[in-house]
Amino acid sequence: NAGVTQTPKFQVLKTGQSMTLQCAQDMNHEYMSWYRQDPGMGLRLIHYSVGAGITDQGEVPNGYNVSRSTTEDFPLRLLSAAPSQTSVYFCASSPPGHRTKYEQYFGPGTRLTVT
Amino acid sequence: SQQGEEDPQALSIQEGENATMNCSYKTSINNLQWYRQNSGRGLVHLILIRSNEREKHSGRLRVTLDTSKKSSSLLITASRAADTASYFCATGLTGNQFYFGTGTSLTVIP
Repeated sequence: NAGVTQTPKFQVLKTGQSMTLQCAQDMNHEYMSWYRQDPGMGLRLIHYSVGAGITDQGEVPNGYNVSRSTTEDFPLRLLSAAPSQTSVYFCASSPPGHRTKYEQYFGPGTRLTVT
Repeated sequence: SQQGEEDPQALSIQEGENATMNCSYKTSINNLQWYRQNSGRGLVHLILIRSNEREKHSGRLRVTLDTSKKSSSLLITASRAADTASYFCATGLTGNQFYFGTGTSLTVIP
């Protein structure tokens, strides 16, 4: 298994541009989520999904959109990039099951800079 | 915010020593998890403790949870240089949303 993969690894955007961060997992996990990590702030949840066709907002959803058309993919769209969105973005997934659904598997991250 | 706070922010120890880091949180939780992040990498799940558990072990890791004080501690025994990383606690409420702390940066000196 490749686990959780994210593309691209690095991206530079100009203010106002839009883009999609890709996230895929091949472990048949139901739960997927997006976090951003900023210095001194820990990870903050942006959006999450408990299965195909179901998404919900996390702690910091403004300026981001998600969709979940398949179990495998959970793309994150930046609608109009702003410098405040400069961050490292992590995608995570976790398996179903009462005992295992809290164990999140993280991707390697996408480092985004907005100028 | 539910976000946890780790203490200390940074910790430097000699190889072979034990490392202890603490996490405090604000509201009642369903479970608490600890993760490790090596520099420039994603997070790796270490251990989960449920709200009805007080202590849990996994290899050289020992986690305690005190729900009355809303705090948890992670003990790494006999530390190794490879343990150098940042460590985060994450609290789960309903199971669908997780709140991460700000992390403890651990340096183990060979």
